[in-house]
Order: sequence, then C-alpha cells, then structure tokens
Amino acid sequence: DIQLTQSPSFLSASVGDRVAITCRASQGISSYLAWYQQKPGKAPKLLIYTASTLQSGVPSRFSGSGSGTEFTLTISSLQPEDFATYYCQHLNSYPYTFGQGTKLEIK
Amino acid sequence: EVQLLESGGGLVQPGGSLRLSCAASGFTFSSYAMTWVRQAPGEGLEWVSLISGSDGSTHYADSVKGRFTISRDNSKNTLYLQMNSLRAEDTAVYYCAKVEMGLVTDAGFDYWGQGTLVTVSS
Repeated sequence: DIQLTQSPSFLSASVGDRVAITCRASQGISSYLAWYQQKPGKAPKLLIYTASTLQSGVPSRFSGSGSGTEFTLTISSLQPEDFATYYCQHLNSYPYTFGQGTKLEIK
Repeated sequence: EVQLLESGGGLVQPGGSLRLSCAASGFTFSSYAMTWVRQAPGEGLEWVSLISGSDGSTHYADSVKGRFTISRDNSKNTLYLQMNSLRAEDTAVYYCAKVEMGLVTDAGFDYWGQGTLVTVSS
C-alpha cells in the first residue's frame, strides 16, 4: 500500500501569511493526489485534485503543485476561515489512503 | 444541488452488525462511483470502501475486508455499507462521498454527507 506523510503535522501562522504543506508518497503516484480541508465537526471539503487543479468555488489563494512522490499545498495569504486541518489523499491505486493531516492554527 | 444524507449509525456491541445508508440526490447517481470514509474520534480520515458506478466493482481497505460490504441501489439512489463483526476500533463517524471522475482515474471526493456516528462498545 502507498503511504502518505504530511509535514508539518502542526503549523502556527498569522492572517496574511503564506504557508505551505508538503505531502510525500512512499512510491510514485504521478499526479493522482487530492487535498482536502476539514473544519471541526464538519465533513471534509475537496480543494484540489490531480495535484494542481482547483476545485470549483475554491479561492485562488489555494494552489497545489508536484508530481511523483512530492506534493505541496500552498495558501498564498491566510484568511481567518482557512484555519483548519488539511489532508492529502492519493488516488493512484487502491487503497486510497490519506495523509495523517496538518492542523493549521492561528498564531 | 448535490445532497448526501447518511443514516443508520448508532451504538452496537462488539461482534454485532449495522447497516449504514446514504441517500443521494441532485446528480445522476448511477453514473458515479461512491465511497465511504471514516474518522475515529480525534483522529484523521481513513478510506473504507468504494463501489464503481459503471460495473458495481468494489474495493476495500484491508482493515474492513471480509467484514464490511458496500452496495448500491441505483433505483433508489442509495448507497449502503453493511458492517459485520464490528470491533471497538470501528468506532468512528462514517461519511459517504461522491467520487469525481478524472481522465484516467478517480480525481477526488467532491461531495460529502454530514456523517453518521457508529459506536462499538459493550
């Protein structure tokens, strides 16, 4: 099975900051990676698919990059509503595993 | 508007069974793969199972293989998850989600239900 490792696991930042979250796959997954945002008590929300395609309705301050084994989710200018937990997920082959999550907190 | 509404969660004893349902609306249900994802209290997301829209093929996480069965009734626009031989470690919020199709493979899970809590405890 393909394992995904996110870093960092916790991130403290301020409104207006630019932040990046990394997701590393245990083997190559081409561009078959998605990113999700989850707020407490809510279902996850798809932000980006195929590594860099922004889901409809997602603000352009979110962007994704990478291929193969290393991927990055970047938020260009943090807004108050962006403080949440972020997960990567691969869809290269079954099982479709998720990373362990990155909790983004307000500094 | 796409809507997914899970039901069937609750308290069950270890070794017991439960069937979750997910009623879908707002899209052509039979055309899309559907999936279940769970989240144990305070933990991350765990993919559980997926069923294709085209041929009904199914896939499972190793942690539930042989105990859980995913199915769908396209005439009722409903997804199911039959859970048998439940264990304490199956305690989680279970989400159903619609699978977005990509050009080559699945692209992601673009719509999610609100989740239903399953608690396995004596």
